[in-house]
Amino acid sequence: AQSVSQHNHHVILSEAASLELGCNYSYGGTVNLFWYVQYPGQHLQLLLKYFSGDPLVKGIKGFEAEFIKSKFSFNLRKPSVQWSDTAEYFCAGGYSGNTPLVFGKGTRLSVIA
Amino acid sequence: NAGVTQTPKFQVLKTGQSMTLQCAQDMNHNSMYWYRQDPGMGLRLIYYSASEGTTDKGEVPNGYNVSRLNKREFSLRLESAAPSQTSVYFCAGFSNLMSYGYTFGSGTRLTVV
Repeated sequence: AQSVSQHNHHVILSEAASLELGCNYSYGGTVNLFWYVQYPGQHLQLLLKYFSGDPLVKGIKGFEAEFIKSKFSFNLRKPSVQWSDTAEYFCAGGYSGNTPLVFGKGTRLSVIA
Repeated sequence: NAGVTQTPKFQVLKTGQSMTLQCAQDMNHNSMYWYRQDPGMGLRLIYYSASEGTTDKGEVPNGYNVSRLNKREFSLRLESAAPSQTSVYFCAGFSNLMSYGYTFGSGTRLTVV
């Protein structure tokens, strides 16, 4: 069965530190990959998505992710985090079309001053 | 343009009671989904509807039923609520048009006592 794994359950960083959150998927064939963010008390919002083409994807709020097919990975990065990035981050994957997304268990990011 | 609207936002039920969670979208999504979110578990798919008139089970369908009343509405019913169904429920719609991706509702926080 398809699955998405996020390695870090809780990450604590100081402001201005660099961020990398790991995500691995177990899909065969063409896969669509997503990163979502959930701020406290809110619903999920799309950060970025990858379908095909350039494996380095840029999203909103300075986030980017790199699709590495050989490693089945889609790690999320940000060069310098801010306190406002404190949230939970979810990686998700699915096949093309309207097949349901499978979500990782999430990584909680706490950014401290 | 409201997007995906869920009602109610909060609900407390007694064990054995029934209720229906409502979801409506005005984004012309063909596909709609119900997920539940539990701490440390990420989002798990309960049911989905690939198109009007069709529904399919997801990862955790037991104890739930769904109705795709029309293209706009996709409701989730708990016939006999159990404490294990205490969770946050999210409805989502999928579009394969320009915005390609999922749009989530704001969630329903359900507590079963």
